Amino acid sequence: DADVTQTPRNRITKTGKRIMLECSQTKGHDRMYWYRQDPGLGLQLIYYSFDVKDINKGEISDGYSVSRQAQAKFSLSLESAIPNQTALYFCATSPLGGGDTQYFGPGTRLTVL
Amino acid sequence: GQQLNQSPQSMFIQEGEDVSMNCTSSSIFNTWLWYKQDPGEGPVLLIALYKAGELTSNGRLTAQFGITRKDSFLNISASIPSDVGIYFCARPVREGAQKLVFGQGTRLTINP
Repeated sequence: DADVTQTPRNRITKTGKRIMLECSQTKGHDRMYWYRQDPGLGLQLIYYSFDVKDINKGEISDGYSVSRQAQAKFSLSLESAIPNQTALYFCATSPLGGGDTQYFGPGTRLTVL
Repeated sequence: GQQLNQSPQSMFIQEGEDVSMNCTSSSIFNTWLWYKQDPGEGPVLLIALYKAGELTSNGRLTAQFGITRKDSFLNISASIPSDVGIYFCARPVREGAQKLVFGQGTRLTINP
């Protein structure tokens, strides 16, 4: 079984809808991240959390919110989706004191019409 | 300040050819990471570099930490079809930050 899972893997929605992307991990890592990938732009950090009570904004947090429900779960929400939020979204984890290595989930492809 | 410039953006090669890509930063850092993203998957760490001038191999892949500490190189020898994907360089936002900044990626396509 995968250590970092994301649901759904694909989602098509309409402008203005609320969307939640979920991430779960069985690695026991404290640190979790949400990234967005657009063609030619690499990975951009949206939000990150270093433990259950810690939430931090990344480079491109506008239009997004997150919830760290437990050590193993980190959800990303789009309160009112817009077409330019169409992208591939990745969750990642990192162990405390584990250096800079991050472990990525398989991604969620989101399309906003 | 946070930019990583990765080149080339894409490569189209024949199976068996060698591949070379690089990444440059405007700042000096002590860590360079190289990730690979297979089609339909998330990125996976290939090689981590922690010392200027360091040369590290992982099978047919070799990465080097530039002596100026502002650049890094990734080479793939004798490419095979499973090398297809997007290769990303990355480094910490700042030392000890536990946050990464990524290059734009190099998309590798291989013709059999």
